[in-house]
Amino acid sequence: GAGVSQSPSNKVTEKGKDVELRCDPISGHTALYWYRQSLGQGLEFLIYFQGNSAPDKSGLPSDRFSAERTGGSVSTLTIQRTQQEDSAVYLCASSLGFSGNTEAFFGQGTRLTVV
Amino acid sequence: DAKTTQPNSMESNEEEPVHLPCNHSTISGTDYIHWYRQLPSQGPEYVIHGLTSNVNNRMASLAIAEDRKSSTLILHRATLRDAAVYYCILRDSVRAAGNKLTFGGGTRVLVKP
Repeated sequence: GAGVSQSPSNKVTEKGKDVELRCDPISGHTALYWYRQSLGQGLEFLIYFQGNSAPDKSGLPSDRFSAERTGGSVSTLTIQRTQQEDSAVYLCASSLGFSGNTEAFFGQGTRLTVV
Repeated sequence: DAKTTQPNSMESNEEEPVHLPCNHSTISGTDYIHWYRQLPSQGPEYVIHGLTSNVNNRMASLAIAEDRKSSTLILHRATLRDAAVYYCILRDSVRAAGNKLTFGGGTRVLVKP
């Protein structure tokens, strides 16, 4: 596709269950980012990938959160034992490279609701 | 990370220009100035970016102060579709930790018909 694709677009899960959120970046984009946005709040950085490696995991809120990227393409964000405070929109972005001279393209997000 | 400061909100009339200021007094020589906007219920959208010189594209213009400590995003003729939160962000080209985009509170733009 032409843009960043995220799935599912909406996810409702019960507290304590694990969830996987998927991001398909733009083809050829080596940098991939995950953010989350709670209702009415700003964007909170979670993690980014350069290729398949994640140089900066500092934004992950707890050890229940993990992310991986395979083949330099698709990325999965996993939240284990979900809690109600995990409810938010999870956004993925990709950019062509590492340079500050490249723009990032965002997906439409996955709205996660933990009940 | 170098920080940016923006007004919380601005109002504009439809078909009039909008000037959105951003202060970044601690900007480094390798920081690019990026602008993104987020329309309601959507992911952020790239608007424009620059380093030292003013930039124009089909969406907007970016005016960068000579000392680079501030910049202004200019929407030449606001439409109702331009109502969004606009984020001014610095993106470092050198430090690995600067590769991420750090979003502040942004400026919420209201366009009145």
